[in-house]
Amino acid sequence: DAGVIQSPRHEVTEMGQEVTLRCKPISGHDYLFWYRQTMMRGLELLIYFNNNVPIDDSGMPEDRFSAKMPNASFSTLKIQPSEPRDSAVYFCASSLMAGGFETQYFGPGTRLLVL
Amino acid sequence: DAKTTQPNSMESNEEEPVHLPCNHSTISGTDYIHWYRQLPSQGPEYVIHGLTSNVNNRMASLAIAEDRKSSTLILHRATLRDAAVYYCIHYKAPEKTSYDKVIFGPGTSLSVIP
Repeated sequence: DAGVIQSPRHEVTEMGQEVTLRCKPISGHDYLFWYRQTMMRGLELLIYFNNNVPIDDSGMPEDRFSAKMPNASFSTLKIQPSEPRDSAVYFCASSLMAGGFETQYFGPGTRLLVL
Repeated sequence: DAKTTQPNSMESNEEEPVHLPCNHSTISGTDYIHWYRQLPSQGPEYVIHGLTSNVNNRMASLAIAEDRKSSTLILHRATLRDAAVYYCIHYKAPEKTSYDKVIFGPGTSLSVIP
């Protein structure tokens, strides 16, 4: 199994531009999570899906952030418009079952820099 | 938020045991204690978790204080591949899918010296 796949691995953009991050979960996993990691705040859960349906998006910072999961093998996290404070590493994780973080497999992350 | 306190960094010699401490004085009775690690340029990786009793797996051991306000992750023989940031967290029992908003703090950066 290839594990959780994220693209791009690195993204540099200018303030105001739209950014789209992509994630392919492990095949057969029913749960998908988006996290953001910064030095200041550590790792934060943004949103998670179960069977392609968003369950809890209360971690999404503001309306500029949106996430979709059109099918079981693909999810996107979009930031529009982007701001310098959005610079962070964004992780996608997937899980076969509900429960704790010990069930989650993380992707390699997308390092986003907004200038 | 479920707060934990860990030393910012630690060093260990290769092949020697490492004890990584964590304080979690605000832990509630139903919170599990989890340890994750993150290698450079990679996502977090699960290490071990427990509730009250000490736990062992192929990666590490977890020693939990009797009052559960602290725990120690034990790597029995550190290797160069164990160099990573180690995170200690606690949250509700696994059957509850209510995740804290901020789950990982700065962690402990472990350096392993050959």
